[in-house]
Amino acid sequence: NAGVTQTPKFRVLKTGQSMTLLCAQDMNHEYMYWYRQDPGMGLRLIHYSVGEGTTAKGEVPDGYNVSRLKKQNFLLGLESAAPSQTSVYFCASVQGAMQPQHFGDGTRLSIL
Amino acid sequence: AQRVTQPEKLLSVFKGAPVELKCNYSYSGSPELFWYVQYSRQRLQLLLRHISRESIKGFTADLNKGETSFHLKKPFAQEEDSAMYYCALLIRTGTASKLTFGTGTRLQVTL
Repeated sequence: NAGVTQTPKFRVLKTGQSMTLLCAQDMNHEYMYWYRQDPGMGLRLIHYSVGEGTTAKGEVPDGYNVSRLKKQNFLLGLESAAPSQTSVYFCASVQGAMQPQHFGDGTRLSIL
Repeated sequence: AQRVTQPEKLLSVFKGAPVELKCNYSYSGSPELFWYVQYSRQRLQLLLRHISRESIKGFTADLNKGETSFHLKKPFAQEEDSAMYYCALLIRTGTASKLTFGTGTRLQVTL
């Protein structure tokens, strides 16, 4: 039982490149979330999903897109990476709306 | 709008000294509060939540609705407590729920 798995763990991109971050959970959780963690700003919610096929915007959605085609996977896409998107990205999942979230190990993304 | 404030970026204490990490919240509804901890190079993990009213690794936190606070306390700090601590407020929005995090406090326990 791996819990929440994020791939890749590290990536360096050039400005304008695109990439997709994958979050996979094996706990059959309904809700999934993408956050970014920046120094002095804590974690901020980018997008979230309340179930397969549904997504919604969080606090800082601009420049990102998401998809939840399968219940266990939640993808975060950067279509045209910008240096301001340099951050550590965390995925989380939870079964019930008011339960504590389970986090992945994070993806460290640097955009030059 | 909901807000979580952790006023201290860094808290440095000596081993064996008491610890109090401050957290204040702003929310019009009934709050559901958590403390998450992130040890060096590890994922965020739940430390405790207010409704469970339990002590984890010697830490406790009491919700004070009058002062809108949820401070984290430990009577005697240990070296292994050094980590980043985040206070978080869980709110329900329709069918979903979302966590609002504070900016975090780094606890540094020194000998």
